[in-house]
Amino acid sequence: EDKVVQSPLSLVVHEGDTVTLNCSYEVTNFRSLLWYKQEKKAPTFLFMLTSSGIEKKSGRLSSILDKKELFSILNITATQTGDSAIYLCAGRNTDKLIFGTGTRLQVFP
Amino acid sequence: NAGVTQTPKFRVLKTGQSMTLLCAQDMNHEYMYWYRQDPGMGLRLIHYSVGEGTTAKGEVPDGYNVSRLKKQNFLLGLESAAPSQTSVYFCASRFQGDEAFFGQGTRLTVV
Repeated sequence: EDKVVQSPLSLVVHEGDTVTLNCSYEVTNFRSLLWYKQEKKAPTFLFMLTSSGIEKKSGRLSSILDKKELFSILNITATQTGDSAIYLCAGRNTDKLIFGTGTRLQVFP
Repeated sequence: NAGVTQTPKFRVLKTGQSMTLLCAQDMNHEYMYWYRQDPGMGLRLIHYSVGEGTTAKGEVPDGYNVSRLKKQNFLLGLESAAPSQTSVYFCASRFQGDEAFFGQGTRLTVV
């Protein structure tokens, strides 16, 4: 059975801290790993990773995939209150997109 | 270009009633998905479709049916609603190999 596990489930930090969110996966015929940010409503796309060891970066956010160990991390540096959200990762095979339970990040001033 | 549109946005049902949620996308995407989101549970896949006329079961299909008669629409049906189906439902669509785009969600309460 396909499975995606995220840790921690919840994280509380102060502005300026750096956080690392973890995602491990077991997905048959794996194709890519996706990260989404969910604030109040629909998840919005952050990154898609298909190759091991290649970091994707967007501003203060970055992510990397390890296909040998079947995991990915999402790093957020110099956190801001606007980073408060649920961060979801998903493993994709040819047809399905399987999500983890998400990590709820709260950033306090 | 509206993207992915879900109808309705909110609904309250009585136990045993039926309803259909509509997902419409105008991006000519092949793949479409229905998820439910409950507190602490992330997004759980209900059913999905890889193209017009096709449907397949996801992780939690029981109590739901779907149809994809037109490429742009993916319907989710509840034949006899139960309180356990109280949730927020999200539809998503994508091209092969690309990221998925989500609708704004439907909040369903079954009393």
